[in-house]
Amino acid sequence: DAGITQSPRYKITETGRQVTLMCHQTWSHSYMFWYRQDLGHGLRLIYYSAAADITDKGEVPDGYVVSRSKTENFPLTLESATRSQTSVYFCASSEDRVIGELFFGEGSRLTVL
Amino acid sequence: AQSVAQPEDQVNVAEGNPLTVKCTYSVSGNPYLFWYVQYPNRGLQFLLKYITGDNLVKGSYGFEAEFNKSQTSFHLKKPSALVSDSALYFCAVRSGYTDKLIFGTGTRLQVFP
Repeated sequence: DAGITQSPRYKITETGRQVTLMCHQTWSHSYMFWYRQDLGHGLRLIYYSAAADITDKGEVPDGYVVSRSKTENFPLTLESATRSQTSVYFCASSEDRVIGELFFGEGSRLTVL
Repeated sequence: AQSVAQPEDQVNVAEGNPLTVKCTYSVSGNPYLFWYVQYPNRGLQFLLKYITGDNLVKGSYGFEAEFNKSQTSFHLKKPSALVSDSALYFCAVRSGYTDKLIFGTGTRLQVFP
């Protein structure tokens, strides 16, 4: 089915390990985003991408790395996971820079022990 | 800098009564405003948006929102609440100068039978 998919849906890891969260969309949307959702903070933007090979920092980029070699994929990597990165991560895509709504994946729940 | 405030963590309403979920914003330039809904363990779903034109915007599931430029508000409303409307609601804003969509902290709507 067309849409935006995230994997894994659930992940438990240990402090210091590298973790990659995958995001794939089938709409060929130009814009893709990574948010984290934490109680009391709502959704905070980590990184976003306007097109393949173009990425930019959001509100909370420290400790995260992204890449966008293909339009449809936008992986998020935690190079050395910390407990403060325990969160629910959402990937989203949009076809328009300003007026387009975001389409969200189902989320990836990450626990760092 | 852009910001969004949702002053109520939770709104309780009886089924059949009208509901309002409040949102105020701050941006430079013209605001582009959005409402999203999140059901448990799901990603966010788009409800409605204000880009330009009529201040009253109609969206999915009978929801509407009123843009008030002088009060910098974009409150979500529904004339008659349903128990199935119970969910977490997010307001978001983007200005014409940026690709970033900034979310509020969310308001939990509880509709009682």
